[in-house]
Amino acid sequence: DQQVKQNSPSLSVQEGRISILNCDYTNSMFDYFLWYKKYPAEGPTFLISISSIKDKNEDGRFTVFLNKSAKHLSLHIVPSQPGDSAVYFCAASDNNAGNMLTFGGGTRLMVKP
Amino acid sequence: DTAVSQTPKYLVTQMGNDKSIKCEQNLGHDTMYWYKQDSKKFLKIMFSYNNKELIINETVPNRFSPKSPDKAHLNLHINSLELGDSAVYFCASSQEPVTYEQYFGPGTRLTVT
Repeated sequence: DQQVKQNSPSLSVQEGRISILNCDYTNSMFDYFLWYKKYPAEGPTFLISISSIKDKNEDGRFTVFLNKSAKHLSLHIVPSQPGDSAVYFCAASDNNAGNMLTFGGGTRLMVKP
Repeated sequence: DTAVSQTPKYLVTQMGNDKSIKCEQNLGHDTMYWYKQDSKKFLKIMFSYNNKELIINETVPNRFSPKSPDKAHLNLHINSLELGDSAVYFCASSQEPVTYEQYFGPGTRLTVT
């Protein structure tokens, strides 16, 4: 039973345009959400996070939006750059269940020059 | 200066063997983790461990056992390896009190033949 889902396995975007990666979750106990970026043959690296008490968090070109009522979050990258090409994982955590992350299946983003 | 390192990077072994994967972090973190990324690319938590508590994902077979000689190391021992154990295993660490940004190692690709 997947509690965190990324329904788009891949996304292709032109350089300079906006990339929007989506994530849905089912566990209403999740109170913290993160996005990780992963290059081939490397471990995931933390990108940006958001607490459930917020609906938006911005860091440079990256913005995460959280819609708690819809149990949906999204990552916006603008403008997209070729170096952003990677697999992006959405993850969620329930503070009451320890510091364990539940990951989505990932979305492969390809930014074309 | 690698923050979270794992050895070996690749491991090929036969069914029934016992093997270990080593993980070390130089971030001074209190909590370490093991994740498994299966053939479908899902990252799943296996263990969360600090010097006080081991939290085990109930779906992990007891052939898998984490061993922590000190706070900076968390090794993963796997007994009686099975074909289904083939995956990429990632070690990660984070700082307590609970913060959600986990730092991942580069992964160990285990192939059981």
